[in-house]
Amino acid sequence: DAGVIQSPRHEVTEMGQEVTLRCKPISGHNSLFWYRQTMMRGLELLIYFNNNVPIDDSGMPEDRFSAKMPNASFSTLKIQPSEPRDSAVYFCASSLIPGGLRDYGYTFGSGTRLTVV
Amino acid sequence: AQTVTQSQPEMSVQEAETVTLSCTYDTSESDYYLFWYKQPPSRQMILVIRQEAYKQQNATENRFSVNFQKAAKSFSLKISDSQLGDAAMYFCALYGNNRLAFGKGNQVVVIP
Repeated sequence: DAGVIQSPRHEVTEMGQEVTLRCKPISGHNSLFWYRQTMMRGLELLIYFNNNVPIDDSGMPEDRFSAKMPNASFSTLKIQPSEPRDSAVYFCASSLIPGGLRDYGYTFGSGTRLTVV
Repeated sequence: AQTVTQSQPEMSVQEAETVTLSCTYDTSESDYYLFWYKQPPSRQMILVIRQEAYKQQNATENRFSVNFQKAAKSFSLKISDSQLGDAAMYFCALYGNNRLAFGKGNQVVVIP
């Protein structure tokens, strides 16, 4: 398996523009997670899906953020409109809960570095 | 709420020496997992080692080992025979209540 695949790797956009981050989880994993990493706040869980259903989105900062998982092999995180304070690295991770936790925890993608100017 | 605390933001170690990273956590769950992840400059999050809370035996993966003290809620990572490739940010993480929570990380610098 190629692992968790995220795109794009880097994104630079202007304030007010819509940004869409993409993630392809590992085949067979039933859970998908979106994290945001900043120097100030570290790694924060934004939302997680189980069997394509959003279970907990309490970490989503505000209504400008939305996430979807239309099928088991694809998820998006959208920011509209984007603001400079959204600049961060966004990670997608997947796992097989609960069995995968014992064997490998979460598998992370390479992240998307978002810069909003 | 679950919390993970890592002190000592940066640690330096001489190549071939040993370094220990501290981690304390808090959770009300009785069943949980603990992890150490490594994040090199490439920013990829790489699993280093994992520990199931119900197992008393400390996990070991080659040069990496943990000291799991459940009563004290402590989960430290020891890196033996440090190599230049070990230079990275190390995150302690706790899985419980359907979520994985991270500490703020320890930067490990390896001196040749």
